[in-house]
Amino acid sequence: QSALTQPPSASGSPGQSVTISCTGTSSDVGGYNYVSWYQQHPGKAPKLMIYEVNKRPSGVPDRFSGSKSGNTASLTVSGLQAEDEADYYCSSYAGSNNLVVFGGGTKLTVL
Amino acid sequence: QVQLQESGPGLVKPSQTVSLTCTVSGGSISSGGYYWSWIRQHPGKGLEWIGYIYDSGSTYYNPSLKSRVTISLDTSKNQFSLKLSSVTAADTAVYYCARAPSIVVVTHWGQGTLVTVSS
Repeated sequence: QSALTQPPSASGSPGQSVTISCTGTSSDVGGYNYVSWYQQHPGKAPKLMIYEVNKRPSGVPDRFSGSKSGNTASLTVSGLQAEDEADYYCSSYAGSNNLVVFGGGTKLTVL
Repeated sequence: QVQLQESGPGLVKPSQTVSLTCTVSGGSISSGGYYWSWIRQHPGKGLEWIGYIYDSGSTYYNPSLKSRVTISLDTSKNQFSLKLSSVTAADTAVYYCARAPSIVVVTHWGQGTLVTVSS
């Protein structure tokens, strides 16, 4: 059982927007602005898409955005494209004992 | 461009110790300021942080694995390594090595190596 809770699946049509949630506690997501999101295509290594809640690494399209409210972080993908179909994982800093926790992942399907 | 490549045995017997090595190219492991990390992914499942070694030599291990994990750095070979002892079938996973400028920001990943624990 993962420390952070994500919906197992999400979907949207090309051009639409979809939001994936990541729910933790005040000891992780709610306690720090250190939430990251990773995209993983089948058979590939994860790729960093968002860090520190809402920052995009160089090269990541601005269609990807992040936010946080309380103990829940969210990843929004706007203007869905076929290549966005992948698994998405959130992670959060969880303090000096548990350090880093991940969500169970969400499979995004572009219809 | 920094690249990471895992190497090690694909098949390990239960109760044995698995040793994996990550070779870093395109940058020095001694350059400073990075968390050299190991992360695993059980088949069809999510990600699990195993631990890291900072370039100062300090380490952190996931509490659930701490008693069985050792991560070390070999700057002469530009490599870092993972040893996981007393393995069971539950340790069957794809193991990734990674570089993180901060603990929760993994910017560079290896391609991953599948370790299967089976007799």
